[in-house]
Amino acid sequence: GIQVEQSPPDLILQEGANSTLRCNFSDSVNNLQWFHQNPWGQLINLFYIPSGTKQNGRLSATTVATERYSLLYISSSQTTDSGVYFCAGPWGGGNKLTFGTGTQLKVEL
Amino acid sequence: ETGVTQTPRHLVMGMTNKKSLKCEQHLGHNAMYWYKQSAKKPLELMFVYSLEERVENNSVPSRFSPECPNSSHLFLHLHTLQPEDSALYLCASSQDSAGDSPLHFGNGTRLTVT
Repeated sequence: GIQVEQSPPDLILQEGANSTLRCNFSDSVNNLQWFHQNPWGQLINLFYIPSGTKQNGRLSATTVATERYSLLYISSSQTTDSGVYFCAGPWGGGNKLTFGTGTQLKVEL
Repeated sequence: ETGVTQTPRHLVMGMTNKKSLKCEQHLGHNAMYWYKQSAKKPLELMFVYSLEERVENNSVPSRFSPECPNSSHLFLHLHTLQPEDSALYLCASSQDSAGDSPLHFGNGTRLTVT
C-alpha cells in the first residue's frame, strides 16, 4: 500500500510565526487530504487537495502530484492551531485513506 | 463540526462486557467508516460501508462487529475485548467511497478496556 511520511514530527512555534508542514507519499494519489486533530481528539478536514493550491484563511495547501508531496502552510499561527496535523492518501482504490504519523504542533504565547 | 456525531464520548468496559458505539451523520453522505487510533500509531481503517453495504473489512478481529442499518447510522458492537483494544474510535463519512470526496470525522469515542 501507499506510504505516507510527514515532517517534522514535532514543531513548537511562537504565536504569530509561520510554518510549513510536509507530506511525502510513495505513489501517485488522486485524493490527498489534510486534517487537524485538536487536543480533545476531534479531526477536522482542512483540505481536499489532489493537486494545485488552495487557501482557507491563514492556512493554505499545495500538492505537487507528479513529485509526490504536499505542503501545508500556516501563517500568523495562533494557540488554537495547536494539535496534530495529518495528511492522508488513498490505497487500493476508493476512499481507504492511509494516514501519516502526523506533525505535533504547539503554538506558545 | 456537528455533521457527524458519536456516542458515547467515553466508555470503560470490562473484558466480558458487551457494548455498542453509535455514529450518526447529518450530511447526506453515502459512505461511512470506522477508524481506530491507538497511542503513537497512525489511524487504522477498520470498516467501510457504502450505501449500507460493507465494502471493506480491514482484517479486524471478530470481537468488533459493525452494523449499518441505513446510510445515516453506523454502529460498532463490541464483545470480549482485550486491554490492547483501548483506543480512540472514530467514525467518518464521505459523499461516496469513490475516492473523490473529503472525509468528515466525528468527535470519537475514547474506549478503555479493563
